[in-house]
Amino acid sequence: QITLKESGPTLVKPTQTLMLTCTFSGLSLSSSGVGVGWVRQPPGKALEWLALVYWNDDKRYSPSLKSRLTITKDTSKNQVVLTMAHMDPVDTGTYYCAHTPHPFIAVPNKGGGFDYWGQGILVTVSS
Amino acid sequence: DIQMTQSPSSLSASVGDSVTITCRASQSIGSYLNWYQQKPGTAPKLLIYSASSLQTGVPSRFSGSGSGTEFTLTISSLQPEDFASYYCQQGYITRTFGQGTRVEVK
Repeated sequence: QITLKESGPTLVKPTQTLMLTCTFSGLSLSSSGVGVGWVRQPPGKALEWLALVYWNDDKRYSPSLKSRLTITKDTSKNQVVLTMAHMDPVDTGTYYCAHTPHPFIAVPNKGGGFDYWGQGILVTVSS
Repeated sequence: DIQMTQSPSSLSASVGDSVTITCRASQSIGSYLNWYQQKPGTAPKLLIYSASSLQTGVPSRFSGSGSGTEFTLTISSLQPEDFASYYCQQGYITRTFGQGTRVEVK
């Protein structure tokens, strides 16, 4: 059974750096084809992909947010950490982590989709 | 980067109706297209992956088709539990979501 859970601050001030941790079980980031990514959703708005990291430490970022994002993995702790710099009120929303098999290597690859999700964490940016 | 354009942004339908949602990619993504259902206050749920493969446990009234840049999600006989928001997502190298389609009660 694969489970993921997000943790971190629920309130940050503008200009601060947000650090979120995704802790997972039932999968290993030392196994070929495994990836974990982050997706966010402002209240009442659409989903937005942020970043992902694969078992081989290959990292991908949303082009529009790349300068503000850093994603890292700790295989021994079964964790992935996302940091987002220069937080602004428009960054308020629910942040999800999710499992995403590598689209060209994993079997099944799930088309590069996200098949297991955490429950999400609501982050509010306000002074 | 790859942009995803989803339409319509919302639609009204009745139980038993057939519903189709369209997603267009800004460049060819092969079959790396996935569909999600999301209900208020919950995480998205993967319905269809690789354009036409049904995720385990998803009812067969959901189906997907397309390749390249044009894709569709069809719900063949809408059930009460299907009123929700739906998103497409491309999985070719990076990831991008469409803007979403809200399926509402007519």
